[in-house]
Amino acid sequence: NAGVTQTPKFQVLKTGQSMTLQCAQDMNHNSMYWYRQDPGMGLRLIYYSASEGTTDKGEVPNGYNVSRLNKREFSLRLESAAPSQTSVYFCASSEWGGNLADTQYFGPGTRLTVL
Amino acid sequence: GENVEQHPSTLSVQEGDSAVIKCTYSDSASNYFPWYKQELGKGPQLIIDIRSNVGEKKDQRIAVTLNKTAKHFSLHITETQPEDSAVYFCAASRTGNEKLTFGTGTRLTIIP
Repeated sequence: NAGVTQTPKFQVLKTGQSMTLQCAQDMNHNSMYWYRQDPGMGLRLIYYSASEGTTDKGEVPNGYNVSRLNKREFSLRLESAAPSQTSVYFCASSEWGGNLADTQYFGPGTRLTVL
Repeated sequence: GENVEQHPSTLSVQEGDSAVIKCTYSDSASNYFPWYKQELGKGPQLIIDIRSNVGEKKDQRIAVTLNKTAKHFSLHITETQPEDSAVYFCAASRTGNEKLTFGTGTRLTIIP
């Protein structure tokens, strides 16, 4: 099992450019999440998908959109990148409804720089 | 919503000594408290978690304690080793709510 995978690992964008961060999990988890990590601020939830076909805003959703393509894949899109979106982005997944309902498993991250 | 505070932000410990990291939470309905370890350049990895029906949980050199009345929980690492150097995050959530709220992290450095 690869667990949670993310692509790309690194990306540099110019202000105003768009891009999509990809995430996939092979653990048959129902729930998936996107976080951003900034120095001194821990991990902040951008969007999450409790189950296939549903998405909800987290703490910092402005400037982002998401798509739950199927049970395995959850993508994060920046339509018009801004320097404030320079961050490390993590995708996570968790099983929902079972004994391990709340345990989240993280991917390796995407390091994004917006110039 | 839930608010999780974590202290200290940095901690240096002599190899072989113990390290303690503390977190407080605000939502009395929270009942799940995981701890994550993040090594440089990697994603957070779950190292231990505790649910509100127990007060303490141990896994070899790592233990977590929970005080529901005071709404705080702590990570204890004994006999620290150089590979324990990392950033540690606490988090809280409640069953049925899929969202975790994270603390701001503690950078632990083990001094050889």
